[in-house]
Amino acid sequence: QQQVKQSPQSLIVQKGGISIINCAYENTAFDYFPWYQQFPGKGPALLIAIRPDVSEKKEGRFTISFNKSAKQFSLHIMDSQPGDSATYFCAASSGGSYIPTFGRGTSLIVHP
Amino acid sequence: DVKVTQSSRYLVKRTGEKVFLECVQDMDHENMFWYRQDPGLGLRLIYFSYDVKMKEKGDIPEGYSVSREKKERFSLILESASTNQTSMYLCASRLPGQGAPGELFFGEGSRLTVL
Repeated sequence: QQQVKQSPQSLIVQKGGISIINCAYENTAFDYFPWYQQFPGKGPALLIAIRPDVSEKKEGRFTISFNKSAKQFSLHIMDSQPGDSATYFCAASSGGSYIPTFGRGTSLIVHP
Repeated sequence: DVKVTQSSRYLVKRTGEKVFLECVQDMDHENMFWYRQDPGLGLRLIYFSYDVKMKEKGDIPEGYSVSREKKERFSLILESASTNQTSMYLCASRLPGQGAPGELFFGEGSRLTVL
């Protein structure tokens, strides 16, 4: 059973556009929601993370929006650039061990 | 900078062979993880270790075992490799915070092909 559902599987955006990746979860015990970015040939790296006590977190062009009642969170990339082309993974974890459960990933391509 | 090193980037093995994937981290992190990455399936947790000589099964431990004799080293072992274990294997480490999740630091991966 997929605990974190991520969509879309792939996304193509023009340079300057907005990229939006969505994730949904079932386990209401989850209380930490990170996003990881993976470039080809590299391991994933933490991009941005949010706790459920806030509805939005912004770091530069990257914003996480969080909807606790709907059990959904999303990553918005404003003014998308070709250098943002990568695979993005959402994840969720809960207190205690905080072992993250990852979504299946979204391959983002930003065309120049 | 935290460095997680997976010594073998590419391996080709035959069915039935015993395979060792090695991972070393240089930041004295307590937690270490092995994930498997397959297209369309994301990152799936095989095993993790809270500390030296400790290990816990993840979501897909069947066909795998692990060893953590030293804090900096976490090895993934395929006792008898099978073709369905052809995949990218990612090691990660983490320094757990006080009531905080902590960031996972990943290695660059080991791509294993089993013929």
